[in-house]
Amino acid sequence: AQSVAQPEDQVNVAEGNPLTVKCTYSVSGNPYLFWYVQYPNRGLQFLLKYITGDNLVKGSYGFEAEFNKSQTSFHLKKPSALVSDSALYFCAVRDRRLTGGGNKLTFGTGTQLKVEL
Amino acid sequence: DTEVTQTPKHLVMGMTNKKSLKCEQHMGHRAMYWYKQKAKKPPELMFVYSYEKLSINESVPSRFSPECPNSSLLNLHLHALQPEDSALYLCASSQDLFGLLRDNSPLHFGNGTRLTVT
Repeated sequence: AQSVAQPEDQVNVAEGNPLTVKCTYSVSGNPYLFWYVQYPNRGLQFLLKYITGDNLVKGSYGFEAEFNKSQTSFHLKKPSALVSDSALYFCAVRDRRLTGGGNKLTFGTGTQLKVEL
Repeated sequence: DTEVTQTPKHLVMGMTNKKSLKCEQHMGHRAMYWYKQKAKKPPELMFVYSYEKLSINESVPSRFSPECPNSSLLNLHLHALQPEDSALYLCASSQDLFGLLRDNSPLHFGNGTRLTVT
């Protein structure tokens, strides 16, 4: 069974500082990995995904993530945080060998990012 | 603005009521999803439709009944709900152009319906 772990319930960072939101995964085969962000009273918004190729993936709003196969990690990063980045972030994984149909993602428990002035 | 539209935004219903949630997308996506999300928790998959056919039912109680009238619309019919069913119900869609196993396009979520069961 596939799973995703986000070890931090909350991450606090000062505006202008770099931020990292951690994610590790477990799948049987090679993973498809995603990051989504959720602002209050909103649905989830897609940030970026790793399917294959370059381990450093760039996404929306200046975010990027690094796929590390040996550490089974896919940490989300941004060089300079903004107060407006404060939101709930979800990592998600889909097993390439998953059968049964559907873009069936397994979500992590979420990390609340708080960026302060 | 989201490209997946959900109505209503808020819904309060009694345990004996019948109500429906509606979802619409005009991106030409052929896979549509219902998720349930409790506060500060990840979304939980309920149903997946692919090409208007029910593809996945995650053992959801029968008091939730999905319907996909056409490729742009997805409904969730509610009947005899319990207070613990109160949650944010999210609709999503994805391309699903080449069959479900190859669909790694991102999910596009609506802003959800906040459901309260009294």
